[in-house]
Amino acid sequence: DAGITQSPRHKVTETGTPVTLRCHQTENHRYMYWYRQDPGHGLRLIHYSYGVKDTDKGEVSDGYSVSRSKTEDFLLTLESATSSQTSVYFCAISEEQMNTEAFFGQGTRLTVV
Amino acid sequence: AQKVTQAQTEISVVEKEDVTLDCVYETRDTTYYLFWYKQPPSGELVFLIRRNSFDEQNEISGRYSWNFQKSTSSFNFTITASQVVDSAVYFCALSGFPYTGTASKLTFGTGTRLQVTL
Repeated sequence: DAGITQSPRHKVTETGTPVTLRCHQTENHRYMYWYRQDPGHGLRLIHYSYGVKDTDKGEVSDGYSVSRSKTEDFLLTLESATSSQTSVYFCAISEEQMNTEAFFGQGTRLTVV
Repeated sequence: AQKVTQAQTEISVVEKEDVTLDCVYETRDTTYYLFWYKQPPSGELVFLIRRNSFDEQNEISGRYSWNFQKSTSSFNFTITASQVVDSAVYFCALSGFPYTGTASKLTFGTGTRLQVTL
């Protein structure tokens, strides 16, 4: 199994509070991604990183920011959580771009009340 | 823009039946990659297969087989002699060729939930 750890695995937070989700990898892969999974939408890309301090937006990036200060860590921050951000968040890594096999973390279930 | 359509939301079969999951895609890229992932009830995503657009040969892996038809933009997945352990949500996905704008993005379909009962 690829070494990807997401933390926390579950979180309940209140509307308007900041939340940070962490993705940690031990594979030294260059690319890291944050997806959200919602019923009826499949998985949608939020942000991705192609190296330390190199990030770009995905299709649903509004309300989210990311940071990657080390190869192994990719943080997703909700500056002010809203109920529409209640979702399951998946981190993924790949050695190259998304045309190679991607490995996904176990997911983080976030509930914003 | 890239798009993946999995029109079957849910499928229920009895064990030992064959089942085909449909996947239709749209892309402007002339070269691209197609994937299938499995999400069992435990929630993790498991990679099943990657196919590049150059290779239209069908692929078989045990009870699993994939039929790629570029002419109809389809990449269908068949499970032969289904088993209860095959119960999961299956996602089809698409990405672009290396070092193109779409290569950094894996576009997923909405998934097909397969329920296999005894």
